[in-house]
Formats: sequence, C-alpha cells, structure tokens
Amino acid sequence: SQQGEEDPQALSIQEGENATMNCSYKTSINNLQWYRQNSGRGLVHLILIRSNEREKHSGRLRVTLDTSKKSSSLLITASRAADTASYFCATSSNTGKLIFGQGTTLQVKP
Amino acid sequence: DTEVTQTPKHLVMGMTNKKSLKCEQHMGHRAMYWYKQKAKKPPELMFVYSYEKLSINESVPSRFSPECPNSSLLNLHLHALQPEDSALYLCASSQPGQGYEQYFGPGTRLTVT
Repeated sequence: SQQGEEDPQALSIQEGENATMNCSYKTSINNLQWYRQNSGRGLVHLILIRSNEREKHSGRLRVTLDTSKKSSSLLITASRAADTASYFCATSSNTGKLIFGQGTTLQVKP
Repeated sequence: DTEVTQTPKHLVMGMTNKKSLKCEQHMGHRAMYWYKQKAKKPPELMFVYSYEKLSINESVPSRFSPECPNSSLLNLHLHALQPEDSALYLCASSQPGQGYEQYFGPGTRLTVT
C-alpha cells in the first residue's frame, strides 16, 4: 500500500519560475526523502529530511517538513528545462521500507 | 563509484521463458532492493536483502525468485511470467538499516508477450 499522496499530480511552468510540490503521509516516519525520475530511468536521490528537522536546503531545492500535519513540500527555485521529470516523496519508518508517494510530473518549458 | 548497474536494459520474453535480471553495485552497500514500476506509478517494493539475506518479501508471486550471491550482486530470476508483469524493474542499494538514501540503477524494461 502506498503511504503518500502528492499534489499536484502534474505541474507545468516556464523556465525561471519556482515549482512547489506537496506530499502528505499517514503514519509516523523516521525521515522523508525526495527523489527525481527522468522518463523511463532510475530514481535519483535529491534530499533527506529527518523527522526532527523542519527545513532543509540543497542548492536550488528547499524542503519543509511538518510532522504535526504529516506533510512535506519541495520547492525548486529558478527552474530549468533540465528539471523536467517526475518527483516522488518517500517515507522511511521502523518497517525498514521506503514507501513512495504517487509523484508529481513537472514540465518546465524553455 | 556511486553507480548501480543493471542488465539487460530491455528484455522481451514469452510466458514460458526463464530469464534473469542482474544488478551490481560497488559502493560497499549491504542492503539491496528490487522494485517494480508500472507506467505513471511510483515504484513498488518487491524484495529487500540485508547482509545478503532476504529480509523483506512483499508477498511477491513465486514466479519471481530473488538471489543475492554476494554483497555486490543481486539477481531476479523470472519464470512463467504473465503479460501484467511487464514493467520497469529497478534495483537499488543503500547502507543497511532504516532510512538511508537509496541509489537506483537505470532499470530493466521488461515486456512479457
């Protein structure tokens, strides 16, 4: 069963704009991770935020985590055409499994 | 070396065939994973190996048989598959334990005819 829901399911923006995608989950977590997947390829790890952290930055990425609302957001600033991909949140809990959300498909138009 | 390699890239097999998917990593990771991904869906966990022992089997049908010959290699043996098993099969590795980031291979695109 899938843990997370992501919204929007699809997002289309112009190059240079910011992209925000959201993830909600249902149970307690150890950490939450974001991955990117280019079409038909493997996933690439972007960033990990632990359950006791509220915000984390990595380059043009900013992730927030609100454990009281069981939600996270990923912000990509100054987007580029190369950011076009699917983005998945994934939660890690004491089960030892990584459970992926449904994903957001981002299109950045040049 | 932070790469996970998978072979073959593409595989077409009939329902009576036997084939194997292979995965290799040289990052010293002691946890390895098989995922199945259908189009426009998230990856679904199939198996987890920790220290070369099967630790999680997500109730996967027996026509999928995993094997971990050593700490660098992971195989998925396929037999008598169904057309609905057509999907992208992803291998991943990580440090063992809870919550480590996973490194994914590029996947094998499997078509069952």
